[in-house]
Amino acid sequence: KQEVTQIPAALSVPEGENLVLNCSFTDSAIYNLQWFRQDPGKGLTSLLLIQSSQREQTSGRLNASLDKSSGRSTLYIAASQPGDSATYLCAVTRGSQGNLIFGKGTKLSVKP
Amino acid sequence: SQTIHQWPATLVQPVGSPLSLECTVEGTSNPNLYWYRQAAGRGLQLLFYSIGIGQISSEVPQNLSASRPQDRQFILSSKKLLLSDSGFYLCAWSVHNGGNQPQHFGDGTRLSIL
Repeated sequence: KQEVTQIPAALSVPEGENLVLNCSFTDSAIYNLQWFRQDPGKGLTSLLLIQSSQREQTSGRLNASLDKSSGRSTLYIAASQPGDSATYLCAVTRGSQGNLIFGKGTKLSVKP
Repeated sequence: SQTIHQWPATLVQPVGSPLSLECTVEGTSNPNLYWYRQAAGRGLQLLFYSIGIGQISSEVPQNLSASRPQDRQFILSSKKLLLSDSGFYLCAWSVHNGGNQPQHFGDGTRLSIL
């Protein structure tokens, strides 16, 4: 059974710091891995999707890496800003129809 | 562009009452559709997904059911709500057979059972 774990559960950093969020999964047979952002009381916004054959994806200040063999992914946020404060969720796609299995998220707070 | 709508945004229901949550997608055809629940202290859990009209797959046994009466309409229902049905319900879509495509989420429905 696939399980997704995110560490740390919460993180508080001063503005301007570079930071890394971690995600691990137990079964390497995945279609892809996705990182989402969730603001309080809101739905999810897709940030990055890494195909199982890829090693990393970049979008602006965000960079996500995938090491499928070790069951790990990291989300790197450069030069953090208060607007980055949110919960970041990692999810792996289990089947061809896009069934996502989520971690519990990392709650990020960036202090001005 | 594609948009996804969920309603209502919040709902307070007594135990034992029925439930109907609706989700519609605009700007795309034959999408994959998904219902997720986010319960307090737990991660997002996939409840149902659909790859076409009338085609529903259930991921977990529960008190809820789903239907897809039209191509871009996905409904989550219950005949009798339980306290454990409380949570944040999210609908999502992806392109058909979108195993390698991002999922796009609605703004969710906050359901409280009294």
